[in-house]
Amino acid sequence: SQTIHQWPATLVQPVGSPLSLECTVEGTSNPNLYWYRQAAGRGLQLLFYSVGIGQISSEVPQNLSASRPQDRQFILSSKKLLLSDSGFYLCAWSGTEIVSDTQYFGPGTRLTVL
Amino acid sequence: KQEVTQIPAALSVPEGENLVLNCSFTDSAIYNLQWFRQDPGKGLTSLLLIQSSQREQTSGRLNASLDKSSGRSTLYIAASQPGDSATYLCAAWTFQGGSEKLVFGKGTKLTVNP
Repeated sequence: SQTIHQWPATLVQPVGSPLSLECTVEGTSNPNLYWYRQAAGRGLQLLFYSVGIGQISSEVPQNLSASRPQDRQFILSSKKLLLSDSGFYLCAWSGTEIVSDTQYFGPGTRLTVL
Repeated sequence: KQEVTQIPAALSVPEGENLVLNCSFTDSAIYNLQWFRQDPGKGLTSLLLIQSSQREQTSGRLNASLDKSSGRSTLYIAASQPGDSATYLCAAWTFQGGSEKLVFGKGTKLTVNP
């Protein structure tokens, strides 16, 4: 069966510090991968998605970046965090055989920028 | 631009009651519509996926309907239980900005009181 992992589970970082959040998927090959952010009082916002190694599409201009160094690894990064980067970050995957397949979400990372 | 709205934002019901959660979307050209459940501080769990050619899907006590022409979907929960307490999110798979993506509503927070 497929599983998706995210770490860390929670993170408190000062403004201006770097960020690295990791997501890995097990039990599937060549998944589509997604990073979402869920801020208080707002819906889920798609930040990045990837259809393959090294292929990253950005949805929202911001100071975040994403990378996919391996087939089942997706990393969200920032060089300098802003207060507005606080939120709940969710990674998700979907299959590629069927367009618009169900997305499966990881447990999330709660990021607080102080 | 696709917008997904969920009403009400919060709902509190006594145990055993049947209830309906509403979701509306502005662009009827969707691939499918999905309902998710999110427990506090957790990731999303997929509940039901309705393809654009379907009108409803059922899973246990859950029944989701889709009316593309009117831009509406409902999630019906029969014989509600305290364990059903969570935030329910609907999301429409839409072609937007040159790619397919899930556009989420802000959710309905359901509380089932014993």
